[in-house]
Amino acid sequence: GAVVSQHPSWVICKSGTSVKIECRSLDFQATTMFWYRQFPKQSLMLMATSNEGSKATYEQGVEKDKFLINHASLTLSTLTVTSAHPEDSSFYICSLKREKGRLFGPGTRLTVL
Amino acid sequence: KQEVTQIPAALSVPEGENLVLNCSFTDSAIYNLQWFRQDPGKGLTSLLLIQSSQREQTSGRLNASLDKSSGRSTLYIAASQPGDSATYLCAVPYSGGGADGLTFGKGTHLIIQP
Repeated sequence: GAVVSQHPSWVICKSGTSVKIECRSLDFQATTMFWYRQFPKQSLMLMATSNEGSKATYEQGVEKDKFLINHASLTLSTLTVTSAHPEDSSFYICSLKREKGRLFGPGTRLTVL
Repeated sequence: KQEVTQIPAALSVPEGENLVLNCSFTDSAIYNLQWFRQDPGKGLTSLLLIQSSQREQTSGRLNASLDKSSGRSTLYIAASQPGDSATYLCAVPYSGGGADGLTFGKGTHLIIQP
């Protein structure tokens, strides 16, 4: 069955730097991928919908210039957190939609010092 | 705006017990509901997907029911085992707007004591 991978699984960076997170769909071509964020002891919140070959759709309150999304192929979507700050520290998870429900990646733990 | 509530927030029981986890949603215009399991620091594993036309789904010791009219779903875990310890999340597709993501509950943190 289809598998979703993320890289890196965790990253620690200094405040002000940019971090890129990759989400890959293995054995499944995904025209749409979703990016979620999960703060400690909170549930997942949808940040944006990534569309292959077009601009991403961002949820209210999510800054598109801060969280850059690129979906250049049917198997890869990237989320770049620009000028990261400590409040951006979170667990970022990507997901894709299939007929049999949603698949989620293993997540990326971002810690901004 | 869709809101999903899960009760209880946490549950700790001895192994072998049968459990019921509850999920309620405010907008009944959903086309499916999905239950997930999340282990600490990990991504989500899909457990069961119930289409709006279905009333329940079963997978092994898990059984999920859906009552759209009342905005409720339950996840039944039979003969619980320590390996079932995890956070269980229910989610429904967004209602309204242009997004097609999921709205999640905060989850039920389950601990099965050996």
